[in-house]
Amino acid sequence: AQSVAQPEDQVNVAEGNPLTVKCTYSVSGNPYLFWYVQYPNRGLQFLLKYITGDNLVKGSYGFEAEFNKSQTSFHLKKPSALVSDSALYFCAVRDMAAGGSYIPTFGRGTSLIVHP
Amino acid sequence: EPEVTQTPSHQVTQMGQEVILRCVPISNHLYFYWYRQILGQKVEFLVSFYNNEISEKSEIFDDQFSVERPDGSNFTLKIRSTKLEDSAMYFCASSPDRGTNTIYFGEGSWLTVV
Repeated sequence: AQSVAQPEDQVNVAEGNPLTVKCTYSVSGNPYLFWYVQYPNRGLQFLLKYITGDNLVKGSYGFEAEFNKSQTSFHLKKPSALVSDSALYFCAVRDMAAGGSYIPTFGRGTSLIVHP
Repeated sequence: EPEVTQTPSHQVTQMGQEVILRCVPISNHLYFYWYRQILGQKVEFLVSFYNNEISEKSEIFDDQFSVERPDGSNFTLKIRSTKLEDSAMYFCASSPDRGTNTIYFGEGSWLTVV
C-alpha cells in the first residue's frame, strides 16, 4: 500500500527566509512523487514531480524538492520565501511496484504562511 | 495553457436531492478523475475513468455515485440522494495517460448539502 505523511499542519516563515515543507512516504516499490499547491478557493496546481534521476527536482515558482530514498522523504524547498507563496501544499505519492495503483495518494496538506 | 474546467463553482442542495457536477477535461487527455476534499481534510480519490468505463474506484465511491461521459467532452459526477457528509470540494482532473504523466486538476466545485 502507498501512503504519504505531511507532519506539519502549518509552517510559518518570514519573507526572504528559506522554507521547507516536509513530506515522507511509504511504498513497496519505487516512488513517483509530486508536489501540488492550492491557493485559496482554487484548484490544485502542479509544482513538480520526481520519477527517476537527479534527486534534486526543480519546479515552478522557484520551488525545488529533494528526494531522499534512505529517509523516504521528498521535502519541498525554496531558498527565499515570498508572501505570495502562502498557500496549502500537498505532497502525493504513487507506488511504481508491479500491480500497484496508478492513482496517487495525497497527504493532508501543509499550510504555508509567509510573513512580510 | 489548456485547463480542466468545472461547473458549477458552488452549489447548495437540500439533503436527499440529486446533484450533477460537470467537468471538461483537457482535450487530448485520456484519463479522467474525480477527487474530493472535505473542509480541512486531505484530498481523497473517488474514481478514475478511461475508455468510457470506470478503471478504478475507492471505497468512498459507492452506489450513491456515478460518472458518465455523455458527449465526448463533458465528464460528469452524479450524486444521488445527497447526504450532509457529502458536503465537500469536488475536483475533476485529467491526465494524458496513466503512466508517469501529471494529473491536472480543475478549480473545483464546492458542494454544500443542507
